[in-house]
Amino acid sequence: AQTVTQSQPEMSVQEAETVTLSCTYDTSENNYYLFWYKQPPSRQMILVIRQEAYKQQNATENRFSVNFQKAAKSFSLKISDSQLGDTAMYFCAFMITGGGADGLTFGKGTHLIIQP
Amino acid sequence: NAGVMQNPRHLVRRRGQEARLRCSPMKGHSHVYWYRQLPEEGLKFMVYLQKENIIDESGMPKERFSAEFPKEGPSILRIQQVVRGDSAAYFCASRITHHPDYGYTFGSGTRLTVV
Repeated sequence: AQTVTQSQPEMSVQEAETVTLSCTYDTSENNYYLFWYKQPPSRQMILVIRQEAYKQQNATENRFSVNFQKAAKSFSLKISDSQLGDTAMYFCAFMITGGGADGLTFGKGTHLIIQP
Repeated sequence: NAGVMQNPRHLVRRRGQEARLRCSPMKGHSHVYWYRQLPEEGLKFMVYLQKENIIDESGMPKERFSAEFPKEGPSILRIQQVVRGDSAAYFCASRITHHPDYGYTFGSGTRLTVV
């Protein structure tokens, strides 16, 4: 079974600062995807960024980037130039590829607060 | 494109009643997934369906819970004889294909409260 651990229940930074959210996971699989989802107060889950395990290059989407360390099973999210609209719950998630169930396994989340 | 539509957004049921949660996937999406989010927790996978078929229900409680995705109409998650522990937010997600390169689109969830 796969597990995803987010060790920071809550983080708070000032607007325009850079913040890093941590995520570690445990799996014996070699082929998988990792994701960061944002859940604002509206509750909708919004995909922030995705990383394929077979790719060594870290994924980047505008102000969002990841530090993927496959050997360490670590997948942190960096948010640069943070904005008030970034305030939300952030969930790290894992998905096996290549057969069988392909549901997502989520961590418990980090509540990120951007202060004005 | 209206995205994934879930209704109702909020549902209150007394213990012992039935709860029916509906999910209309994005247009063209034939793969539907249901997740449950307990307070202070991440989402937990419940069931994966394609049109008229249950593909994986390994996350679904064995009793009182059922899901369907008929040929016509929305996917339905049904909870019979609800108990207080069923209180949670239930999310539906859809995908256009099984291939992992294609991502999930989530709905805004149904918050079920059992009183």
